[in-house]
Amino acid sequence: NAGVTQTPKFRILKIGQSMTLQCTQDMNHNYMYWYRQDPGMGLKLIYYSVGAGITDKGEVPNGYNVSRSTTEDFPLRLELAAPSQTSVYFCASSWTGRSPLHFGNGTRLTVT
Amino acid sequence: DAKTTQPNSMESNEEEPVHLPCNHSTISGTDYIHWYRQLPSQGPEYVIHGLTSNVNNRMASLAIAEDRKSSTLILHRATLRDAAVYYCILRDVTGANNLFFGTGTRLTVIP
Repeated sequence: NAGVTQTPKFRILKIGQSMTLQCTQDMNHNYMYWYRQDPGMGLKLIYYSVGAGITDKGEVPNGYNVSRSTTEDFPLRLELAAPSQTSVYFCASSWTGRSPLHFGNGTRLTVT
Repeated sequence: DAKTTQPNSMESNEEEPVHLPCNHSTISGTDYIHWYRQLPSQGPEYVIHGLTSNVNNRMASLAIAEDRKSSTLILHRATLRDAAVYYCILRDVTGANNLFFGTGTRLTVIP
């Protein structure tokens, strides 16, 4: 099993550009999550989903959008990139709300 | 949302046991205690979790206080590969709202 796969691994954006961070899991997990991690800091939850068609905001959702049309995919959209969105983004999934999280290897995003 | 408090850093000698503490004084009855670790340039990795009783697996042991307001992750014999940032988080069975990672404890293992 590939687990949780994130693409791209690295990306540089100019201010105001938009992009989609892709996340796919092959474990048939119901729950999926997007986190961001700023240098030297812990992870902050951006959005999460408890199943296809259901999404909800986390701690820091401003500037981001998500969709969950299938169980496998949970893309994160940045519409108008800002320098404050420079971070490492991690996608994760879990079978239930209390089962362990499985993380991808992250996408390092720089906005200049 | 219930949050956790951990020391910023700890050191251990190689092949010695390590006890990583976590305080969660506002834990609710439905919160599970989870531990993850993050190696440099990688995503967090699940270590162990529990509700009330102490738990053991191949990676570590989790000791949970009787009042559940604190817990301790125990690495029985630290290796250089255990050097990482360790996060203690609380997971509510009803949803993902309080998945707060904090800054964790950076463990340094001394050869």
